[in-house]
Amino acid sequence: AQSVAQPEDQVNVAEGNPLTVKCTYSVSGNPYLFWYVQYPNRGLQFLLKYITGDNLVKGSYGFEAEFNKSQTSFHLKKPSALVSDSALYFCAVRNVETGNQFYFGTGTSLTVIP
Amino acid sequence: DAGVIQSPRHEVTEMGQEVTLRCKPISGHNSLFWYRQTMMRGLELLIYFNNNVPIDDSGMPEDRFSAKMPNASFSTLKIQPSEPRDSAVYFCASRPGQGSVRTDTQYFGPGTRLTVL
Repeated sequence: AQSVAQPEDQVNVAEGNPLTVKCTYSVSGNPYLFWYVQYPNRGLQFLLKYITGDNLVKGSYGFEAEFNKSQTSFHLKKPSALVSDSALYFCAVRNVETGNQFYFGTGTSLTVIP
Repeated sequence: DAGVIQSPRHEVTEMGQEVTLRCKPISGHNSLFWYRQTMMRGLELLIYFNNNVPIDDSGMPEDRFSAKMPNASFSTLKIQPSEPRDSAVYFCASRPGQGSVRTDTQYFGPGTRLTVL
């Protein structure tokens, strides 16, 4: 079955520390990978995407993600967390080889502690 | 659990035609969301419902778009008349709501890819 997994429901990190939000996928072929953020009472916002090229992708608000094909992972990272980064983060994968099907993870709630 | 179900998966229509997208949320979920994704604008929230009641439709682009949720297990997003700039992938998502361990979690459907010629 094709899917996306975010193994952590909740991630807590102290302000100023590096953060990682994990995502693994199970999709045949070469996927397109996305990260979205949702702030309270708002819809999802695009953060970054990987299609091809450099495995390290830089996105909005200082976030970056590393595509690891051998581990089928696309973890979201930030070198120094801000309190304002507290939100819900969604990983998504699009399978362009089977009709552009999108698969979303169930989200990881990030709390940055002052 | 079948997850969120959307139909059709692909829709190709001509400009001026009416388009109706359908969504069946996960049973027991209290909130339902409609999103639109384009390459230029990314993912945009169009409207969301709590307990079948529209709460925020400020994301609906114009009067050509309308959404209904006649009961807890069904919602539609209608575009009449459709225009080429409406071409996008439309996602429906549902959320458990209060009383759930993860009240913020949204479960997305597979999306409907709409092409308006």
